[in-house]
Amino acid sequence: KNQVEQSPQSLIILERKNCTLQCNYTVSPFSNLRWYKQDTGRGPVSLTIMTFSENTKSNGRYTATLDADTKQSSLHITASQLSDSASYICVVPAYSGAGSYQLTFGKGTKLSVIP
Amino acid sequence: DGGITQSPKYLFRKEGQNVTLSCEQNLNHDAMYWYRQDPGQGLRLIYYSQIVNDFQKGDIAEGYSVSREKKESFPLTVTSAQKNPTAFYLCASSTSSGGTYEQYFGPGTRLTVT
Repeated sequence: KNQVEQSPQSLIILERKNCTLQCNYTVSPFSNLRWYKQDTGRGPVSLTIMTFSENTKSNGRYTATLDADTKQSSLHITASQLSDSASYICVVPAYSGAGSYQLTFGKGTKLSVIP
Repeated sequence: DGGITQSPKYLFRKEGQNVTLSCEQNLNHDAMYWYRQDPGQGLRLIYYSQIVNDFQKGDIAEGYSVSREKKESFPLTVTSAQKNPTAFYLCASSTSSGGTYEQYFGPGTRLTVT
C-alpha cells in the first residue's frame, strides 16, 4: 500500500531557530517527492519538487533532501520566522494506471514558531 | 493560490440538502481535482478530471458528484447521501495528470453541515 508518513506530528520552535521535518514513503514506482506549505485555512503551496536524481534542493530558507534508497526525505528550515508557522505536507505521486498519477499525502507536520 | 478560485470560502447547510462548491481556473490546465481535508488527516481525493466531459472517481467518491462541461470549471456537489460532509474542500489543477506535473491548489471552501 502506498503510504507517506511524517514526523513529528507537531513542533514548536523559537523564532530564528532551525528545524528539520521528516518524511518516509513507501510509494512505488517512485517519480518525485513534493513538499507543500499550508497556512491555516488556505490551500497548500508548493515549496519544492524533487526527482529521483536530486539529493538536495533549496528554496530560500527551505532545504529539502531526498534519499531514494532509504525512501526518506527531510525539510530543513533555517532561521525560522513567525510566518513559517504552518503545516508542512510531504506528497508523493503514485501511478494509478493509464498514464495518470494520484498524489499520496502525508498528514503533515504542524509547525508553530513563537517569539 | 495562483489562478484557481473557489467560492464561497465558508458555506453552511442544513443536513439533507445538496450543496455545490465552485472551482474555476484560468491556467489553461487540462486536469482538475477535488480533495477533502479533515483535521489530522492527509488530503483525500474525491474526483478528478483529465479532460473536458470526462471524470474519474477518487478514493472517497461516495456521496459526491461532479461535472466538467468546460475546461475552466469543475464544480463539486455534496449530496445528502454523504454521511459526514463537514470538511475543508480543496480544488486543484495541473497541466496534465502525469506524475511530474505540479498541482496548484485553490484557497479552499469550508463546508459546515448541521
